[in-house]
Amino acid sequence: AQTVTQSQPEMSVQEAETVTLSCTYDTSENNYYLFWYKQPPSRQMILVIRQEAYKQQNATENRFSVNFQKAAKSFSLKISDSQLGDTAMYFCATENSGGSNYKLTFGKGTLLTVNP
Amino acid sequence: EAGVTQFPSHSVIEKGQTVTLRCDPISGHDNLYWYRRVMGKEIKFLLHFVKESKQDESGMPNNRFLAERTGGTYSTLKVQPAELEDSGVYFCASSRQDNEKLFFGSGTQLSVL
Repeated sequence: AQTVTQSQPEMSVQEAETVTLSCTYDTSENNYYLFWYKQPPSRQMILVIRQEAYKQQNATENRFSVNFQKAAKSFSLKISDSQLGDTAMYFCATENSGGSNYKLTFGKGTLLTVNP
Repeated sequence: EAGVTQFPSHSVIEKGQTVTLRCDPISGHDNLYWYRRVMGKEIKFLLHFVKESKQDESGMPNNRFLAERTGGTYSTLKVQPAELEDSGVYFCASSRQDNEKLFFGSGTQLSVL
């Protein structure tokens, strides 16, 4: 069975600074996908970034980037130049359905607060 | 384009009562998923529809939960009778194809007292 662990229940960062959210996972599959989702206070969950395990290059989306360490099964999210709108619950997730993203396994989430 | 819509946003019921949650996916999305987050725990997969057919319902907790997707459009998730441990946030998500981006709704906060 897959498991996803987010060891930081809560984090805070000052506006404009950089913060890194940690995530480790366990899977026996070779081909899988990793995701970071963001759920702002309005509660609609939004995909932040997606990484394919067979790609060595770390995925980036504007101010969001990941540090994917396949051997260590680590998938951390770095947010640069933090903005007040980044305040949200962040969920790390994985799936191993050969590219199908329907049966995600989530971590418990990290509540990030960006302070002015 | 309208997003995934869920009704109601909040529901408070007593143990033993029945509650029906509704999800309207994005138009044209054949794939519809239900997930649930119980307080303090991980978000868990419940089931997956492809059009009107149940593709995978391995995550459904027990037979008190019944999901339907009439005509392959909106979906309902009925809990009957509700128990205290059913409290949580129920998320619906949809996608056009299996390997495409998932769009989530805002969730239904269910409280069973």
